[in-house]
Amino acid sequence: EDQVTQSPEALRLQEGESSSLNCSYTVSGLRGLFWYRQDPGKGPEFLFTLYSAGEEKEKERLKATLTKKESFLHITAPKPEDSATYLCAPRTGGFKTIFGAGTRLFVKA
Amino acid sequence: ETGVTQTPRHLVMGMTNKKSLKCEQHLGHNAMYWYKQSAKKPLELMFVYSLEERVENNSVPSRFSPECPNSSHLFLHLHTLQPEDSALYLCASRSRGGELFFGEGSRLTVL
Repeated sequence: EDQVTQSPEALRLQEGESSSLNCSYTVSGLRGLFWYRQDPGKGPEFLFTLYSAGEEKEKERLKATLTKKESFLHITAPKPEDSATYLCAPRTGGFKTIFGAGTRLFVKA
Repeated sequence: ETGVTQTPRHLVMGMTNKKSLKCEQHLGHNAMYWYKQSAKKPLELMFVYSLEERVENNSVPSRFSPECPNSSHLFLHLHTLQPEDSALYLCASRSRGGELFFGEGSRLTVL
C-alpha cells in the first residue's frame, strides 16, 4: 500500500530562522513529487513538481529537493506570510494522488 | 473567471436533507477530483473523473453520489449524511502533468 509521511507535524520558527520539512514515501510507479501550500480554510495551492532524484526547484524563500526515497522543502529566512500547511504528494502514472498529512509551519515576527 | 470555483462555500444540513455541491473549472483540464478534508487528517481522495468517466472510487459510502456531466463541471450529491461527514470538501482539476488545482472548498456541517 502506498504511504506518504511528512515530518515534523508542526514547526515553529522565528522570522529569519531557516529550516527544512521532510516528505518520505513508499509508492509504486513513482514518477516524481508535488509540493503544495495550504492556508487555513482554503484549498491547497500548487508549488512545485520534481520529476527525478537530484532535481531542485526554487520559489522565493522555498527550495524543494528530491532523492529516491524522500523530498525536502527548505525554507530560507522565512517570513510570517510563509506560515501555512505544506503538503507533499508523490507523482505516479495514474490518477490516484495521495497526500501526506502535512507540516504546519508557524513563523513568528 | 479563471481557476476552480466551488459552490456553496458553506453548507449546513440536517441528516435527512438532500443537497449538492458544485464545482466548475475554467482551466481546460480533462480530469476532476473530490477530496474530503477533516480536522487533523490528511486529504482523503473520494472520486476521480477523467473525460466524464469515473476512474477512481475510494470506497466512499453510497450517501455520497458524484456526477460529472462534462469535463468542466463536477457535482457531489449528498443525502442522509451523518455528523461525521462534516468536513471541508475540496474539488480539483488535473493538468496533463498531474498537478492538481484546487477550489476554495465547501465547508459542510451536518447537524
